[in-house]
Amino acid sequence: DAGVIQSPRHEVTEMGQEVTLRCKPISGHNSLFWYRQTMMRGLELLIYFNNNVPIDDSGMPEDRFSAKMPNASFSTLKIQPSEPRDSAVYFCASSLKVQATNEKLFFGSGTQLSVL
Amino acid sequence: SQQGEEDPQALSIQEGENATMNCSYKTSINNLQWYRQNSGRGLVHLILIRSNEREKHSGRLRVTLDTSKKSSSLLITASRAADTASYFCATDAKYGNKLVFGAGTILRVKS
Repeated sequence: DAGVIQSPRHEVTEMGQEVTLRCKPISGHNSLFWYRQTMMRGLELLIYFNNNVPIDDSGMPEDRFSAKMPNASFSTLKIQPSEPRDSAVYFCASSLKVQATNEKLFFGSGTQLSVL
Repeated sequence: SQQGEEDPQALSIQEGENATMNCSYKTSINNLQWYRQNSGRGLVHLILIRSNEREKHSGRLRVTLDTSKKSSSLLITASRAADTASYFCATDAKYGNKLVFGAGTILRVKS
């Protein structure tokens, strides 16, 4: 298996632009997570899906952030409009079973986002 | 807020020495996990320990859990330069469904 695949690997954009990050989880995995990593705040859980359904989006910082999972093999995280403080590494992770806390997470390589 | 907090923030040792990292958390948990992150990469799962377990081993890794003290430790024996990475503990709130990561310990193993 190729693991969790994220694209793009790097994204540089200007403030106000729309940014879309993409994730393909491991085939057969039933939970998908979006995390954001910064030096100041560490790893923050933004949102997670079970069986393609958003379960908890309380970590999404603002209405500018939205996430979708139209099918079991694809998810997007969109920021519109982007701001410099959104600069971070965004990770997607998946786990086999729905009850993720007793399952290990498989992380993608992340998207390094820079908003100028 | 972060559930788990690692200590120390950074650790530098010589190859062959043992490295010990600690994690403290605030509320009761079901499970605690340790992950490694190499520079510029995603996190990789190392080991999971359940609240009813006290110790777990995996190769050169030894994890202990003390629920009375709300703390866990990760011991890496006979460290290698390739162990250089950041190490994170992740915990769940006992009645929650989310895995929350600590700030991490940066380990540098000098050859």
